[in-house]
Amino acid sequence: AQSVTQLGSHVSVSEGALVLLRCNYSSSVPPYLFWYVQYPNQGLQLLLKYTTGATLVKGINGFEAEFKKSETSFHLTKPSAHMSDAAEYFCAVSARGNTPLVFGKGTRLSVIA
Amino acid sequence: DVKVTQSSRYLVKRTGEKVFLECVQDMDHENMFWYRQDPGLGLRLIYFSYDVKMKEKGDIPEGYSVSREKKERFSLILESASTNQTSMYLCASSPGGWGTEAFFGQGTRLTVV
Repeated sequence: AQSVTQLGSHVSVSEGALVLLRCNYSSSVPPYLFWYVQYPNQGLQLLLKYTTGATLVKGINGFEAEFKKSETSFHLTKPSAHMSDAAEYFCAVSARGNTPLVFGKGTRLSVIA
Repeated sequence: DVKVTQSSRYLVKRTGEKVFLECVQDMDHENMFWYRQDPGLGLRLIYFSYDVKMKEKGDIPEGYSVSREKKERFSLILESASTNQTSMYLCASSPGGWGTEAFFGQGTRLTVV
């Protein structure tokens, strides 16, 4: 079975500072990994995903994530936070095959002016 | 663009009512999902479907049922609504296959009074 742990339910950064949102996964098989963003009263939007190949994945809005198998991690970063990045972020995992995504509990990002 | 449309953004129902949440996707996706989102608990899978007239229980199916009579439509049914079913409900679809992401609707915020 797969699972995801997001460290920190709430992260606060200053505008222009580095954003780091942590995600660790558990999977008995090589995983597929995803980051989604949710703005208030909206559905989830895909930021980026890792399937195979390059372990550094670039997504939308300047975000990127690195798959580290040895650390079972898939942390999300952005070099410089913008006010519009304030949202809730979800990490998700799926196993190979046609299985539903399993989500972490989410991290709320606040950006302070 | 993939569009997943949920019939209502906000819904208020009384305890004991039978409630239908409708979801339609326009991209001929094989898979459809219903998740429930609660603060601090992330997204939890209620039911999913890989094909028409097919359904599988997710992690929290109790008190819910689903219907998929047509490929594009996936309905979530609360047989007898209770206050502990007050939540945000998110529908998603995916094309199926390995490593494919899910596309989400805007969500239905259901309040049971």
